[in-house]
Formats: sequence, structure tokens, C-alpha cells
Amino acid sequence: GAVVSQHPSRVICKSGTSVKIECRSLDFQATTMFWYRQFPKQSLMLMATSNEGSKATYEQGVEKDKFLINHASLTLSTLTVTSAHPEDSSFYICSALKLLAGGTPYEQYFGPGTRLTVT
Amino acid sequence: AQKVTQAQTEISVVEKEDVTLDCVYETRDTTYYLFWYKQPPSGELVFLIRRNSFDEQNEISGRYSWNFQKSTSSFNFTITASQVVDSAVYFCALSGSNTGKLIFGQGTTLQVKP
Repeated sequence: GAVVSQHPSRVICKSGTSVKIECRSLDFQATTMFWYRQFPKQSLMLMATSNEGSKATYEQGVEKDKFLINHASLTLSTLTVTSAHPEDSSFYICSALKLLAGGTPYEQYFGPGTRLTVT
Repeated sequence: AQKVTQAQTEISVVEKEDVTLDCVYETRDTTYYLFWYKQPPSGELVFLIRRNSFDEQNEISGRYSWNFQKSTSSFNFTITASQVVDSAVYFCALSGSNTGKLIFGQGTTLQVKP
């Protein structure tokens, strides 16, 4: 299957600083990527849809000025958590859509996740 | 609105027992996809299956089997002869046609004891 990477896998930052998380599709081009957040012992919640060359679409309740998403190329989307606070500590997971020719419209591949801890 | 419900928060079984994880979904879409993912302690999601709304055939893959019933909006997952390595959190998810967005259930934590 296709591979999606995330960097970093773990990050600890101080309250008030910004953190950038990268999501890369390594062997395919992805016009659409998604960012999910998972708090401990909870489910994954979709934060936003990242579209190459256009603005991200945020889900209700997600602050777009706090969670900046940039999808500048067909293989890279970045999520920047600005002015991070302890309540932003979470597991962030990205996924990338791989379009297929004929039949099934796409396959979705998840990155391994980034664990953010804000102290 | 779309919704996925996994009513079982935690299940504990002894190795070699069969176990069924329940999933009930809600959607107004006529075309949609249902998924099951496994999340081991490492956190990485492991894809198990995708089923589209027009294919109600049950599927078996080794010790895993899935029962999709549109009449009850359910997509249940059974592990036969469970093993300790099956211990993980399992998520059922729903996606509308061509959107790719996944709506996840709350997850079921499965513990398989030796």
C-alpha cells in the first residue's frame, strides 16, 4: 500500500509557542489530505480538510486561526498549532487520499501520528 | 447528519474465544463506505476493511469476519479464536460518497487475556 509519513512523531513544546507538523505522501500525489485529532482514550475527530492549492476547510468548532493548514504541494500538508496551550496536547493524525482509476474512487492512507505535549 | 455508534466501550475475553464488536451507523447518503480500523498502543491506525453501501455480502479474512446489514444499519466485526495480539482499540468509521471524510465511532477497547 501507499505510505504517508508524519514529522515529528513526538514533540514537546512550551505554552505559547507554535508547532508545525508535516504530513507527506511518499509515493503518490494527494490533492486532498485530512487532519484528525485524538485525545487520550477518545475517538478521532476530523479537524479539517486540506486541499492542494486552496484554503483548508475546517470542521465546526475548530479554530482556523489557531490550527493553520497549508497544502502547498501535492505531497505535503502542514498543520501549525499556534500559541499552543496544554489543552492542545493531543495525538494528531493525518490522512491522504489516493485517487484510483475506475471503480473505487479513492483509497485513504493514514500517517503514523504526532503526539504533541504542551507544557 | 452522519453518526457511528460503538456501544461497547471495553470488552475483555480469554484467548481463543470468539468476540463480536458492534457498529451501528446513521446516514442519509445512498452511497457511503464503512470501515474498520485497528489502533494498537503505538497509535498508528491499521486498515482492516472497507465496504460500500451497495455490497452487503459478508466478508471473511482469516480469523476476521464482517456482517453488514443495511436493514439494521449495522456493520459488525467478529474475531474468531481471539489472540493476545488482537488486543487494541477498534474503530468503526463511515464516509459519505466521494468525500473521503471519516466519521469515527467512539471505539471499542478489546483486551484478550492469555
